Amino acid sequence: AQSVTQPDIHITVSEGASLELRCNYSYGATPYLFWYVQSPGQGLQLLLKYFSGDTLVQGIKGFEAEFKRSQSSFNLRKPSVHWSDAAEYFCAVGGGYGNKLVFGAGTILRVKS
Amino acid sequence: GAVVSQHPSWVICKSGTSVKIECRSLDFQATTMFWYRQFPKQSLMLMATSNEGSKATYEQGVEKDKFLINHASLTLSTLTVTSAHPEDSSFYICSAVTTSNRDGQEVDTQYFGPGTRLTVL
Repeated sequence: AQSVTQPDIHITVSEGASLELRCNYSYGATPYLFWYVQSPGQGLQLLLKYFSGDTLVQGIKGFEAEFKRSQSSFNLRKPSVHWSDAAEYFCAVGGGYGNKLVFGAGTILRVKS
Repeated sequence: GAVVSQHPSWVICKSGTSVKIECRSLDFQATTMFWYRQFPKQSLMLMATSNEGSKATYEQGVEKDKFLINHASLTLSTLTVTSAHPEDSSFYICSAVTTSNRDGQEVDTQYFGPGTRLTVL
């Protein structure tokens, strides 16, 4: 069965510090992996995705993620966090066009000045 | 490109009434749309998959007679919560999957609407 684990419910980082949000997945085939961000009361915005090819993917807002098949992980990183990055981040796994996405529980990022 | 809208953004209704939520892909065609619900401080739970011109596919445990889904065109899907009760109060979010790479969208990627907050009194 497909599943996504985001082990950190909350993370607090200082503005300007680096960030890594963890995501581990379980999927029976080649996964399509996504990171979305949600601000309070809003929908989800796609940050980046991995389908194939280069395992280090670049996204919007300075985010990147690295797919590591051996570790079943797709961690999200940002070298320098801005206060506007405070939001909830969801990792998701799916199987391609029209296929359902399975979401992790989400990680709430707080940024302190 | 890849803009998805939802209407209304919030709605308050009395118990027993029905509420319709619209999901539109504004700048692309979507043969598939998904409906999710999200309870406070929880993740998104898929309710159903909506395919244009065919019946929706519901996830296990979702009552299809209570949550009516219609996907009559390539840009519009509607979710109707029938005989709503307080336990149906939630944040409902739709997403749409594009069929082509035109206009800045990417295939195999779900684009999400802003959500609809439903409160049933």
